[in-house]
Amino acid sequence: GAVVSQHPSWVICKSGTSVKIECRSLDFQATTMFWYRQFPKQSLMLMATSNEGSKATYEQGVEKDKFLINHASLTLSTLTVTSAHPEDSSFYICSADVGVGNQPQHFGDGTRLSIL
Amino acid sequence: SQQGEEDPQALSIQEGENATMNCSYKTSINNLQWYRQNSGRGLVHLILIRSNEREKHSGRLRVTLDTSKKSSSLLITASRAADTASYFCATIGQAGTALIFGKGTTLSVSS
Repeated sequence: GAVVSQHPSWVICKSGTSVKIECRSLDFQATTMFWYRQFPKQSLMLMATSNEGSKATYEQGVEKDKFLINHASLTLSTLTVTSAHPEDSSFYICSADVGVGNQPQHFGDGTRLSIL
Repeated sequence: SQQGEEDPQALSIQEGENATMNCSYKTSINNLQWYRQNSGRGLVHLILIRSNEREKHSGRLRVTLDTSKKSSSLLITASRAADTASYFCATIGQAGTALIFGKGTTLSVSS
């Protein structure tokens, strides 16, 4: 149980394109989902916390107009990288909180984004 | 922001040997979690240890937590080539819900 599906797994697109990444909780409802960014050989950096039905909370230094987050249902959060540029190329990973204390989060398999 | 440091950053061992990774953190926590990441993939949860626990076991994994020193260790016994991966500790603060990750240890196990 507690499976998180992230799609697409790999995107290559031209500079200036907007890219949408989906994060779905398949067998549970997730009131809170998280988006992380990971550069090669580095750790995961929290970008934002996504709450169903409300605005996302962004970490310091993350542009909310650049990285649009929508959490319209209890099973789906989306991250849209708007007008992507080569410096946005990275590995993006989502996770979902089952909403019960002291439980692990469940991660998607990540999306590798390459902007040419 | 990142919670702290992991030590060592990289570790190379032979199959059958034990691997120990250490993690330090900065703030008070509810729990500390260890995750594994194979290259280019998502994270797999290994063990969660609560702030009132000192040691926890799961198969070949043993995790300790010392809240007075704000540190944790992950021991993998009788390592296998398939254990080759990056290992991260992550914490949730008492007021938060988001995981804050350490820098990770890259483990290479050769056969």
